[in-house]
Amino acid sequence: DTGVSQDPRHKITKRGQNVTFRCDPISEHNRLYWYRQTLGQGPEFLTYFQNEAQLEKSRLLSNRFSAERPKGSFSTLEIQRTEQGDSAMYLCASSRGGGQGYTFGSGTRLTVV
Amino acid sequence: GENVEQHPSTLSVQEGDSAVIKCTYSDSASNYFPWYKQELGKGPQLIIDIRSNVGEKKDQRIAVTLNKTAKHFSLHITETQPEDSAVYFCAANPLSSGSARQLTFGSGTQLTVLP
Repeated sequence: DTGVSQDPRHKITKRGQNVTFRCDPISEHNRLYWYRQTLGQGPEFLTYFQNEAQLEKSRLLSNRFSAERPKGSFSTLEIQRTEQGDSAMYLCASSRGGGQGYTFGSGTRLTVV
Repeated sequence: GENVEQHPSTLSVQEGDSAVIKCTYSDSASNYFPWYKQELGKGPQLIIDIRSNVGEKKDQRIAVTLNKTAKHFSLHITETQPEDSAVYFCAANPLSSGSARQLTFGSGTQLTVLP
């Protein structure tokens, strides 16, 4: 069990550029979640996958955001036409389901300049 | 939707003393309440959780209590140590399934344990 892995750890991008983050969950976990965390706040739910199916999406996930989980393994989160308000820590978590708690990754810190 | 409020936002205690962090939630359908510890530069780490069918759960120096009638739950850390210093988040699951899907988090408590 190597934990939840996120890449990159840090990303600085210019406003208007597209960025993509990757999350590798714990291998036996079929549930995967993306959260966003801004400074001094708790994580906010963005979206949830069970295997390859995206089952829930938050209103926070505007049409500039898209997430995928092909083959039910790793997941990617893409932000198009980034804005300064997108600057945050993007956290990925996975769980086995059945009432098991999440395991979070260390996050990708995005800074939009 | 669910709303979780957490207090205090900062807490300083002397090493060896106890620390208590309190949360309230709004959705009576919530039935899963985890607590996470987040250290600088790391993701939140689950430290303890409780489900609505029990009122208290303990794991060594950490305990959580739940009052469903009042819709509040608390984290208790006894015999605090400097390595307990971190930001602590409470959360609630607003779904009735108890499957720990979407969580609503509190705004966090910065705990500092003074040596």
